[in-house]
Amino acid sequence: QVQLVESGGGVVQPGRSLRLSCAASGFTFRSHGMHWVRQAPGKGLEWVAVISHDATNTFYIDSVKGRFTISRDNSKNTLFLQMDSLKTEDTAVYYCAKSGGGKYYVDYWGQGTLVTVSS
Amino acid sequence: QSVLTQAPSVSGAPGQRVTISCTGSSSNIGAGYYVHWYRQVPGRAPELIIYGNSDRPSGVPDRFSGSKSGTSASLAITGLQGEDEADYYCQSYDSRLSIGVFGGGTKLTVL
Repeated sequence: QVQLVESGGGVVQPGRSLRLSCAASGFTFRSHGMHWVRQAPGKGLEWVAVISHDATNTFYIDSVKGRFTISRDNSKNTLFLQMDSLKTEDTAVYYCAKSGGGKYYVDYWGQGTLVTVSS
Repeated sequence: QSVLTQAPSVSGAPGQRVTISCTGSSSNIGAGYYVHWYRQVPGRAPELIIYGNSDRPSGVPDRFSGSKSGTSASLAITGLQGEDEADYYCQSYDSRLSIGVFGGGTKLTVL
């Protein structure tokens, strides 16, 4: 079955960096777009970034452009999110998510990893 | 403020029917992009319950149904059960932002 396991979350000071990883299994990773979606404490879901199956296309929400970088290693079935210049408002649970297909939705989610940006 | 608008809460008694609405604009739902729905129990990851406006993934009971018209979409749940208590989010794609967008979520309470 499909499994997405995030890692790399933790507590970090404002202005510092953190790199999230997502290990995927149970499907042909190189054939699917992948996403990062976050949820601040007590808030709703927010799309952060998306990467195409072959990494040729990436998109970000405005608030993380220039600070976050989504990437993937199809040889290792792993998705990444490099987060630089972190701000307190980036505090959230970050979910790795698998694209469901051409209709732009998520059909599988990881369990999430908590990122806390605090001095 | 979310790009898609949902009522913060809705409630219903066991066995009843409830609907959750989602309103967008001409750059997302109104542009013809599909609407999808997710259910999230607090402390857990979201799960897909409706995709492509009205299709159900395998394993989702037919008590859940979705529809779309113009710039809005709806999720209907019939035969309400206690286990349906959760937060429900609608989602679409926005051509102006070039990324997926969510509603703010609707908390369903089963009385």
